[in-house]
Amino acid sequence: DTGVSQDPRHKITKRGQNVTFRCDPISEHNRLYWYRQTLGQGPEFLTYFQNEAQLEKSRLLSDRFSAERPKGSFSTLEIQRTEQGDSAMYLCASIPGLAETGELFFGEGSRLTVL
Amino acid sequence: AQKITQTQPGMFVQEKEAVTLDCTYDTSDQSYGLFWYKQPSSGEMIFLIYQGSYDEQNATEGRYSLNFQKARKSANLVISASQLGDSAMYFCAMRGMDSSYKLIFGSGTRLLVRP
Repeated sequence: DTGVSQDPRHKITKRGQNVTFRCDPISEHNRLYWYRQTLGQGPEFLTYFQNEAQLEKSRLLSDRFSAERPKGSFSTLEIQRTEQGDSAMYLCASIPGLAETGELFFGEGSRLTVL
Repeated sequence: AQKITQTQPGMFVQEKEAVTLDCTYDTSDQSYGLFWYKQPSSGEMIFLIYQGSYDEQNATEGRYSLNFQKARKSANLVISASQLGDSAMYFCAMRGMDSSYKLIFGSGTRLLVRP
């Protein structure tokens, strides 16, 4: 069983460009989460899906950010008109529907650098 | 609102010695879960240990134990017999009663193990 995978691992872009990150959760995990982690800080919750439904969005998720999980499997996180403040690690995590403890299984993250 | 506080930005420990990483939390929920994750330089968040608020015994997982003091709202991580591979960032996190299962993280502690 493979873990959570994220692509690309690293992305360097110029301010104003659009970027998209992909997350493939552990198979049969019906909940998927996106977090953002800036340097020296802990991960901050952005949004989560149960199957294909986006159930919660943080106030951190401005209108330049959009996340989708069209078939309830992989998810994408798109950032439009990137700004230097968007530079961060974007972490994806998943969890099965019936989770005893609720530990999230994380991917290795996608690091974004906006020049 | 839930909050996690980690007051130690950085810690040193000698190899083979024990170390305690501090974590305090704040929540109005009666039922909650507390987690510790390790983040090596590769970026992946690795689950270490979980403590439920109603668990009477402190959780242990190998060399990791969680010193849970409910009245003081503290959930310190104890690592025994430190190894060089334990050098990493360590994050305390909590989950409340809502159905989202999302975790709220502290700002982390960087642990360096000296040979």
